[in-house]
Amino acid sequence: EAGVAQSPRYKIIEKRQSVAFWCNPISGHATLYWYQQILGQGPKLLIQFQNNGVVDDSQLPKDRFSAERLKGVDSTLKIQPAKLEDSAVYLCASSLVVNRLEQFFGPGTRLTVL
Amino acid sequence: QKEVEQNSGPLSVPEGAIASLNCTYSDRGSQSFFWYRQYSGKSPELIMSIYSNGDKEDGRFTAQLNKASQYVSLLIRDSQPSDSATYLCAIYNNNDMRFGAGTRLTVKP
Repeated sequence: EAGVAQSPRYKIIEKRQSVAFWCNPISGHATLYWYQQILGQGPKLLIQFQNNGVVDDSQLPKDRFSAERLKGVDSTLKIQPAKLEDSAVYLCASSLVVNRLEQFFGPGTRLTVL
Repeated sequence: QKEVEQNSGPLSVPEGAIASLNCTYSDRGSQSFFWYRQYSGKSPELIMSIYSNGDKEDGRFTAQLNKASQYVSLLIRDSQPSDSATYLCAIYNNNDMRFGAGTRLTVKP
């Protein structure tokens, strides 16, 4: 069974630029999560999708971050415009359904904002 | 504010010893509890989940949950150098998953 796929693996941008991350969850997993992990901290949940609907986005900075999951499979997370403090690893995870909470993480995208 | 607290470590144990990792949480309504292992530069990997008070064993790992004390722990028996990693405690309640900052474990040969 293939795991969660993410791309790109690394991205370096300058502040005020835009960036987008892509995630493909494990086949058949209805629930998809985006996390931000700053160095030395635990992952912070940004947004949670059940199929193509948003379950929770209370910690997503909506003035600059957006996410979508069209067709209930792949998802993209966008930052526009980026700030220095957005430098982090962005992790995508998926679980079978929303009440099966065992989450499986992708390799992450390391973002550096200069 | 829903907090998940872990001792950042580093926790150092000799090979073959028992490593004990602890986590406390503030949200009394928390329903589900998880331990993840994260190697340096890698993504978190699920080790254990526990949903009810008591102990849950899986191989060398035992998770312990005490909801009254708002405390969850992970014991690693017969620790191996390959267990050296950061261990993240995660707590779920009402569509919200919160992670602690992790405890860095070093197992010395």
